[in-house]
Amino acid sequence: KAGVTQTPRYLIKTRGQQVTLSCSPISGHRSVSWYQQTPGQGLQFLFEYFSETQRNKGNFPGRFSGRQFSNSRSEMNVSTLELGDSALYLCASRGRPTNEKLFFGSGTQLSVL
Amino acid sequence: GESVGLHLPTLSVQEGDNSIINCAYSNSASDYFIWYKQESGKGPQFIIDIRSNMDKRQGQRVTVLLNKTVKHLSLQIAATQPGDSAVYFCAENSESSYKLIFGSGTRLLVRP
Repeated sequence: KAGVTQTPRYLIKTRGQQVTLSCSPISGHRSVSWYQQTPGQGLQFLFEYFSETQRNKGNFPGRFSGRQFSNSRSEMNVSTLELGDSALYLCASRGRPTNEKLFFGSGTQLSVL
Repeated sequence: GESVGLHLPTLSVQEGDNSIINCAYSNSASDYFIWYKQESGKGPQFIIDIRSNMDKRQGQRVTVLLNKTVKHLSLQIAATQPGDSAVYFCAENSESSYKLIFGSGTRLLVRP
């Protein structure tokens, strides 16, 4: 069974631009979570989707948004990029939306110049 | 932000010794706990989990201990190997929450 796939692997953008990151969960998994990882802040929860509905959202500004499609694939978007948005963005999936382990992808490394 | 805390940011052990990584959590409603290992350039990898109705669970060379009274979690790695060098995260979840909350991580360094 294929793991969680994230594209692209690396991305370089400039301030003010927007970016869309893609995530394909493990087949059969309907819950997808997104995390931002930085050296100083660790793994910060962005949001979780289950059956195309956002179930929970972390403490991030409205510039961060996401969605989930009917095939469980998910995208997250960051608009008006800031230097501080440089981070590793991790997607994870699980079969149930709660109390089950997450399986992570390798992440998208975003650099904002 | 919300977080599960760790006592030691870096742990250095001799190859072959046992390692113990500790974690304190703050949400008494949390009833599911996970340990992850993250190597450089990779996403976190599941190691072992434990539910609140247990206080100990063993895997291959790893043991997780849960003390609900003091809200403390630990990961024990037996006969630590160079391949165990990584950052280890604890995480907590509750049935009523859709988010898994991660601790700040502990770096394990294995000396040859």
